[in-house]
This record gives sequence, C-alpha cells and structure tokens, in this order.
Amino acid sequence: GAVVSQHPSRVICKSGTSVKIECRSLDFQATTMFWYRQFPKQSLMLMATSNEGSKATYEQGVEKDKFLINHASLTLSTLTVTSAHPEDSSFYICSARDWRGVTTEAFFGQGTRLTVV
Amino acid sequence: GQNIDQPTEMTATEGAIVQINCTYQTSGFNGLFWYQQHAGEAPTFLSYNVLDGLEEKGRFSSFLSRSKGYSYLLLKELQMKDSASYLCAVNSNYQLIWGAGTKLIIKP
Repeated sequence: GAVVSQHPSRVICKSGTSVKIECRSLDFQATTMFWYRQFPKQSLMLMATSNEGSKATYEQGVEKDKFLINHASLTLSTLTVTSAHPEDSSFYICSARDWRGVTTEAFFGQGTRLTVV
Repeated sequence: GQNIDQPTEMTATEGAIVQINCTYQTSGFNGLFWYQQHAGEAPTFLSYNVLDGLEEKGRFSSFLSRSKGYSYLLLKELQMKDSASYLCAVNSNYQLIWGAGTKLIIKP
C-alpha cells in the first residue's frame, strides 16, 4: 500500500514555543491530507483538511491561528502548533488518501507524540 | 447528524472468536472501513466493505448490511497481539466519519 511518512515521531517542547510536524506521501500524490488529534483512550478527532495549493478547512472548535497548516506541494503538508501549551500535548496523526485506488482508504503517518512542558 | 456507534470495550479469550459491531447513520455512504490501532501507534487498515455481505481476509472478516446501517468485524483464533482498539469509519460523501473505537482485551 501507499506510504505516508510523518516526522518527528516524538517531540518535547517548552510552553510558548512552536512545533512543526511534517507529513509526506512517499509514493503517491495526495491532493488532500487530513490532520487528526487523539487524546489518550479517545478516538481520532479530525482537526483540519489540507488541500494542496489552497487554505485548509478547519473543523469547528479548532483554532486556525494556533494550528497552522501548509500544503505547498502534492506530497507535503505541515502542521505548526504555535505558542504551544501543555493542553496541546497529544498524539497528532496525518493521513492522505490515494484517490487512484478503488478503496480510497486512508493511509496514515506514524503519528507525532507532542509533549509540552 | 452523522453518527457511528461501537462498543467501548470488549474482552475475549485467546484462541476464541469475537465480533465487534458498528452501526452508523450518515448522510452519505461510499464504503465502510475497519482499522486496527495499537496503543501509541497510528491506525492500520484491516478491511473495506462497499457492498452487502461478508469479506474474508485470513483470521479477520468484515460484514456489511447497508439497509440496516450495520457492520461487524469478526476476529477468529484470537492471539494476544490482537489486543488493540478497532475503529470503524464510514466514507460519507468522501469524508471519513470515525467511530470512537472498541478496545479489545485478550486474556490468556
């Protein structure tokens, strides 16, 4: 299946700093990528849909000025958590869909565990 | 609204069979996915159903009834490594709607 690479896998940052997470589709072009957040023992929560070459679409309750998403190319989307606070500590996962496939399943990155201290 | 329901937690014995149910009410339907997620890891794809019936893939099978808005994931010959969360997701107008997941606990 298709491969989505997410980096870094773990990051610890100080409160007030910014963290950038990268999501790359390695063997297919992803016009759309999705960013999820998952708190312990909870399911995936969609934060935003990232479209190549245009502004991301944010879900209700997600601050677009805090979670900056850039999808500059067909293989790369980035999520920047600005002015991070301890409550932003979570597991962030990106996914991309290869629309050429019949199943159009979502391929996930490995996830990024963010800890804000 | 759009809603997907699955049991929060299930317990089964190693070597046994377990069925995880998923019911959905969505504005559109373009297929249903099952994903497995181990703690601290991203979900991995298990199965996809778009037509009614049973899809078998090794120890795992998935069933769909579109008229009933119902699916189940059947796991046979359970192994300890099957302890994980199982997520049901519906492709509704090409947006994935996720269930909260079912945590499966396997006991020896």
